[in-house]
Amino acid sequence: QKEVEQNSGPLSVPEGAIASLNCTYSDRGSQSFFWYRQYSGKSPELIMSIYSNGDKEDGRFTAQLNKASQYVSLLIRDSQPSDSATYLCAVNMGGGYQKVTFGTGTKLQVIP
Amino acid sequence: GAGVSQSPRYKVAKRGQDVALRCDPISGHVSLFWYQQALGQGPEFLTYFQNEAQLDKSGLPSDRFFAERPEGSVSTLKIQRTQQEDSAVYLCASSAIAGRNNEQFFGPGTRLTVL
Repeated sequence: QKEVEQNSGPLSVPEGAIASLNCTYSDRGSQSFFWYRQYSGKSPELIMSIYSNGDKEDGRFTAQLNKASQYVSLLIRDSQPSDSATYLCAVNMGGGYQKVTFGTGTKLQVIP
Repeated sequence: GAGVSQSPRYKVAKRGQDVALRCDPISGHVSLFWYQQALGQGPEFLTYFQNEAQLDKSGLPSDRFFAERPEGSVSTLKIQRTQQEDSAVYLCASSAIAGRNNEQFFGPGTRLTVL
């Protein structure tokens, strides 16, 4: 079992729809969760971080965390073609240490 | 600029050559990370520095890989006797604090191609 799992996609959504990206992780002690966006040929860009159960909203983005289910998701409302990218889930596995483990990413395609 | 910078952006090496990749973190950032990213994969952890101390090098794939951050700022990742399997994008990230709830900011990466 991979430590951080994501569906590789591609996930295709029409412009204006809600895109839902999901991630599961294996370590129950994980404390910090991050979503990065990576355009083709570019480096990852941090878009959301979440540390406690529930929802965290920032503009069109909402991160959701459920530690009991070891599940974290990212919702993108009013999806735009410019949101087309690979979305990486990253998890800090706990233990007072900064090491972050990344998933393989979900490719999102927003169709105009 | 205020972001993480890396150089060179592209490097082509012949198999067996040594290469050195540089990372200049965001000014004042305590923590620095190196990652390796293969095509279609997420970044894979290589090593981590807190100031000048290398606290974790468990991700370095072999003893041909060596990283340093002697003054707690700029870091260099060195790969000796490069092999074709070393071809990847090498990413550097920095974060402001030492602790679990750190947000890492990435540089543009160095794309290494070993022929």
